[in-house]
Amino acid sequence: GNSVTQMEGPVTLSEEAFLTINCTYTATGYPSLFWYVQYPGEGLQLLLKATKADDKGSNKGFEATYRKETTSFHLEKGSVQVSDSAVYFCALIGTGGFKTIFGAGTRLFVKA
Amino acid sequence: GAGVSQSPRYKVAKRGQDVALRCDPISGHVSLFWYQQALGQGPEFLTYFQNEAQLDKSGLPSDRFFAERPEGSVSTLKIQRTQQEDSAVYLCASSPLTSGRGTDTQYFGPGTRLTVL
Repeated sequence: GNSVTQMEGPVTLSEEAFLTINCTYTATGYPSLFWYVQYPGEGLQLLLKATKADDKGSNKGFEATYRKETTSFHLEKGSVQVSDSAVYFCALIGTGGFKTIFGAGTRLFVKA
Repeated sequence: GAGVSQSPRYKVAKRGQDVALRCDPISGHVSLFWYQQALGQGPEFLTYFQNEAQLDKSGLPSDRFFAERPEGSVSTLKIQRTQQEDSAVYLCASSPLTSGRGTDTQYFGPGTRLTVL
């Protein structure tokens, strides 16, 4: 079945450091890929998405590129801020479906 | 406008009790999802509605779990004879289904934290 694997946290960075959170997936066909973020005390919210191979999703300085050849959708940001401290979830929806499969989440701490 | 709301926010139940969790989606949203999130894990899909039709209930862990959305708006997730392993945060999300596909943005509620003693 479909699945998502993301790097374990926590990830601790200093402000303005470069961020990468790795995400790989297993799915048949052409799934849609997502990154969600959960800030402390808040609900889960969509950060960015990509619905076909080679698409790049971007939002709030974060970006991720749908790489079908490596079945990956790594999240990157060039310069993190303290306010980016949160839990990040990689997710997919299989071709033609509605069921979202989430990874286990990666907690990010950014120090001032 | 108002987002997705869920009630109660916290629920403590004794093992064997029945519980009902409510979700009020964003007005006009066609799609509604329920997820279960165990501590330190990602959300796991439970069930999906389009309007009042339950199109996918493959994630419901047992026949003790039942969900309904009788008028295509508010939804209730019911858990009968609760067990300790049911302790989790239950998330509801809604989506406008403008594309007719599952890739429309889902808007999540704050969740109901269920603790079964």
